[in-house]
Amino acid sequence: QKEVEQDPGPLSVPEGAIVSLNCTYSNSAFQYFMWYRQYSRKGPELLMYTYSSGNKEDGRFTAQVDKSSKYISLFIRDSQPSDSATYLCAMEPYGSGNTGKLIFGQGTTLQVKP
Amino acid sequence: DAGVTQSPTHLIKTRGQQVTLRCSPKSGHDTVSWYQQALGQGPQFIFQYYEEEERQRGNFPDRFSGHQFPNYSSELNVNALLLGDSALYLCASSLGPRGSNSPLHFGNGTRLTVT
Repeated sequence: QKEVEQDPGPLSVPEGAIVSLNCTYSNSAFQYFMWYRQYSRKGPELLMYTYSSGNKEDGRFTAQVDKSSKYISLFIRDSQPSDSATYLCAMEPYGSGNTGKLIFGQGTTLQVKP
Repeated sequence: DAGVTQSPTHLIKTRGQQVTLRCSPKSGHDTVSWYQQALGQGPQFIFQYYEEEERQRGNFPDRFSGHQFPNYSSELNVNALLLGDSALYLCASSLGPRGSNSPLHFGNGTRLTVT
């Protein structure tokens, strides 16, 4: 069983829809949670970064963390064709020191149709 | 403000050869991590360099080695290339120890193809 599970999709939605992307994890030591967006032929771009349970909002994006259920989500409101990309969740355990060792999900491919 | 830069962008090598990939961290960052991303998969941690030392290593063989220079730039070396080494190699930089809440910033990667 992978430490981080993410449905690879693809997920196709019409422009303006609310998108929900999810990851589950098994390691309770994970304390830092991130969402990255990766366009084709580009590196991952950090979207959201949080280290606590609850919600964090940034513009059209909301990250949600539920540590009791080991479940994180990213919501995209008013989705745009420019949001079409692969979305990667990533996690890091607390107290890992200076490691930078993130555990990534497989990534979910999102297509927003005009 | 320059982000993470990697070179070359693409590379084609033959099995058994050796390759060196290069990375310059984001301005102000002093820590470099390397990841391998196979097609359709999430990135996998190779190792991290801080203060010119390898701090932690992922589940990769010794064929993978690295170096960090005093200006914080870094190299990833892969010896005795295998077909399975074909992937996108990503460099990520951050500032200081992870406990300082410094998230990773990635470059656009080097696409390595082994034939």
